[in-house]
Amino acid sequence: DGGITQSPKYLFRKEGQNVTLSCEQNLNHDAMYWYRQDPGQGLRLIYYSQIVNDFQKGDIAEGYSVSREKKESFPLTVTSAQKNPTAFYLCASSLISGGYEQYFGPGTRLTVT
Amino acid sequence: AQSVTQLDSQVPVFEEAPVELRCNYSSSVSVYLFWYVQYPNQGLQLLLKYLSGSTLVKGINGFEAEFNKSQTSFHLRKPSVHISDTAEYFCAVSPYGGSQGNLIFGKGTKLSVKP
Repeated sequence: DGGITQSPKYLFRKEGQNVTLSCEQNLNHDAMYWYRQDPGQGLRLIYYSQIVNDFQKGDIAEGYSVSREKKESFPLTVTSAQKNPTAFYLCASSLISGGYEQYFGPGTRLTVT
Repeated sequence: AQSVTQLDSQVPVFEEAPVELRCNYSSSVSVYLFWYVQYPNQGLQLLLKYLSGSTLVKGINGFEAEFNKSQTSFHLRKPSVHISDTAEYFCAVSPYGGSQGNLIFGKGTKLSVKP
């Protein structure tokens, strides 16, 4: 089955540690995205990538980094510089042209204490 | 710039009653419109989308939405809800010709269906 996988489902880290969230897709989509979701806040875009080895900052990129070395993979690193990293993180992908919907993974819930 | 306002943060309704979840948007250009559903601790699933053509769009699970350009609205409706419709619903817009990264979401409406 085609889709997006995110691992792990739950992740716990101590403050001051960097952590990398995995996102893989086998939909042959060119574009991939990372969103952060907090209660009552909707989804906020962290980073997106439309092509391998290229990515752009979204609305809340500070404290995060990404890489896009393969079309299928778009890992997100939450660095120690992120002030409030505890959140639900969603990865998505889409075809590149306008009007195409984004397909979402199941999400990773990160808790930093 | 675009923005999306979902007018109700929570909507309680009894099973088999009709429901409308309201969405208004602001944009200086034409937009594509989407409704997504999210069940607890899961990702988002597309319910329906409006790209062009008929302003009444039918989606999955018996939902439909109507695009009203003059009122810049895209309200979601279902004539008879089921317990399994309990979830959070997100309205989103994407501008014509814009970057695919520019999908703007509302803050969500939590639909609670009671027996």
